[in-house]
Amino acid sequence: DIQMTQSPSSLSASVGDRVTITCRASQSISTYLNWYQQKPGKAPKVLIYAASNLQSGVPSRFSGSVSGTDFTLTISSLQPEDFATYYCQQNYNTPWTFGQGTRVEIK
Amino acid sequence: EVQLVESGGGLVQPGGSLRLSCEASGFTFSNYEMNWVRQAPGKGLEWVSYISRTGNSIYYADSVKGRFTISRDNTKNSLFLQMNSLRVEDTAVYYCARGKGSDWGQGVLVTVSS
Repeated sequence: DIQMTQSPSSLSASVGDRVTITCRASQSISTYLNWYQQKPGKAPKVLIYAASNLQSGVPSRFSGSVSGTDFTLTISSLQPEDFATYYCQQNYNTPWTFGQGTRVEIK
Repeated sequence: EVQLVESGGGLVQPGGSLRLSCEASGFTFSNYEMNWVRQAPGKGLEWVSYISRTGNSIYYADSVKGRFTISRDNTKNSLFLQMNSLRVEDTAVYYCARGKGSDWGQGVLVTVSS
């Protein structure tokens, strides 16, 4: 199975901060990677698909990039509604595997 | 608007069975692969099962292989997960997800407890 190593597991940040979350795949997955945001009691919501494509309706402050097997989610200016848990997910093959999650908290 | 609505969850004793359903609308269901993903309380996301557009190709996580069965009815725009021999560790919110994860249902809670 492809392992997804996500870091950090949590972070504290202030409104307006630039936030970066990374995910490393244990093997090449091309660009078969999604980033999700999940708020308590809610289903995950896709933010970025295919590593760098912004899902329709998602604010442009979210962006994704890839370098080899390293993937990055960037929030350019953190907003109050962005405090949540973020997951990466590879869909290169089954089983889909997810990162451990990054909890973004208010500083 | 894409909608995925899960149902069929509840409380069941260890060793029991449940059948989850996911009713799809707002898109051509038969054109999409579908998946089940679960999330144990306070934990991360775990993929459970995949089914191809026609149902001819199916995969399971090792943790549920031999106990769970995924199926679909394209005439009724519905996805199913038959869960047998349930264990305490199967307790989770179960989500159906379209394609490569573009859309998810709201989830349904399955609690396995005596």
